[in-house]
Formats: sequence, structure tokens, C-alpha cells
Amino acid sequence: QVTLRESGPALVKPTQTLTLTCTFSGFSLSTSGMCVSWVRQPPGKALEWLALIDWDDDKYYSTSLKTRLTISKDTSKNQVVLTMTNMDPVDTATYYCARMPGNLDAFDIWGQGTMVTVSS
Amino acid sequence: SYELTQPPSVSVSPGQTARITCSGDALPKQYAYWYQQKPGQAPVLVIYKDSERPSGIPERFSGSSSGTTVTLTISGVQAEDEADYYCQSADSSGSYVFGTGTKVTVL
Repeated sequence: QVTLRESGPALVKPTQTLTLTCTFSGFSLSTSGMCVSWVRQPPGKALEWLALIDWDDDKYYSTSLKTRLTISKDTSKNQVVLTMTNMDPVDTATYYCARMPGNLDAFDIWGQGTMVTVSS
Repeated sequence: SYELTQPPSVSVSPGQTARITCSGDALPKQYAYWYQQKPGQAPVLVIYKDSERPSGIPERFSGSSSGTTVTLTISGVQAEDEADYYCQSADSSGSYVFGTGTKVTVL
């Protein structure tokens, strides 16, 4: 069974750096074609794609946020980490990680999401 | 930046057909994907590569593509289909994008 679970702080202050961890099971990020991505959703708003890392350690970022984002993986721990610098109240959102297997090229399994509030 | 445009809302009576459109300039060259999201839940993939249905997704969900517009069709809508629906695609630079979202209301 494939599962993903996001973890991280529920509250961060403006200007701080957010670090989120996606811990997964049931698949390996070493498998050719496998990717893990981060997506966020502000309250009442649409989904927004943030970043993706693939089995070969290639990384892709949202054009509008690329200067603030870093994605990395620890294959031995089955984890993907996202950092976002200079947090602002507009970054308040539920942050999801999702798997993208190469044969589907779609986000087929999602974590339950973690809500992050940016406030002083 | 690349955008995918969806109607904000679609209303449909039980048993009828709901059609949700998604428009984007790159759609003739890139596949589209559709996700269903119910309140308080994570999105669920319902269509991939324009028209393929993942295992476990009911046959009443189908997808099609024509030029710069893709369409998700829900035939014989059921009350449980009430949800937000998002299209998703990619641009030529390796970035992904989600549509603006459509709220489907079952009357």
C-alpha cells in the first residue's frame, strides 16, 4: 500500500524558513521514472504546484517561487524535504506531497496534507 | 505564466451529465489530468493522459481533448460526485500547473 505523510510546523512567523518533510512508504524513489512533488492550497483557493524531484535527483520548481524553494530527497529514509524561505502570510495554506510514477505522469497518490499558518 | 482556465461552477441534477472544461494554450501539446477534491480531503486522480481512467474510478468519469480545450464528463451524476474538480497539465519547461477549479453542485 502506497502512503505519503507530510510533517512540519503548523505555525511559522513571517520571514522565517519553512521546512516540510514528506515520509512515504510502498514505493521507492530510486525506481526509474518515479517522482515526488509538493502542492499547496490556500484556504478556499485552488491548488498550486510548487516543486518536483525525480529518481535521478533532477529538480523542478514553480517559476514564480523558484527563488524561495529547495527540494531534496533522502532515499534511504524514504523522505522528500521542501524548504521555503522568507515566509509571508500569503503562504498560509495546506501543503501536500504527492507521488508521480513515470508510467502515469500524474499525481496518483497524495498525502493528507499539513496546514501551515504564517502569522506573527 | 501558463494558466489553465475552468468555469467556477457547474450545477447538474442527479442522473444528468456534467461537463467541465479546461482551456490552455499548451493543451494541444501536453496531456491533461483531472482531480476530484471533496471538502477537507486530498485530491484524487480521476483521469490521466487526457482520457485514461485509473483503476477504481467509476466508468461514468471520462475525459476528452480538442485543440486548446479538454473536458471532463461525468455521466449519470450521483450525489457523491459533488466536489471541486481541477485540471492539471505541464508546460514546455518542466513546470506543472493546475486549473482554477470548478465546483460541481448536484441539485
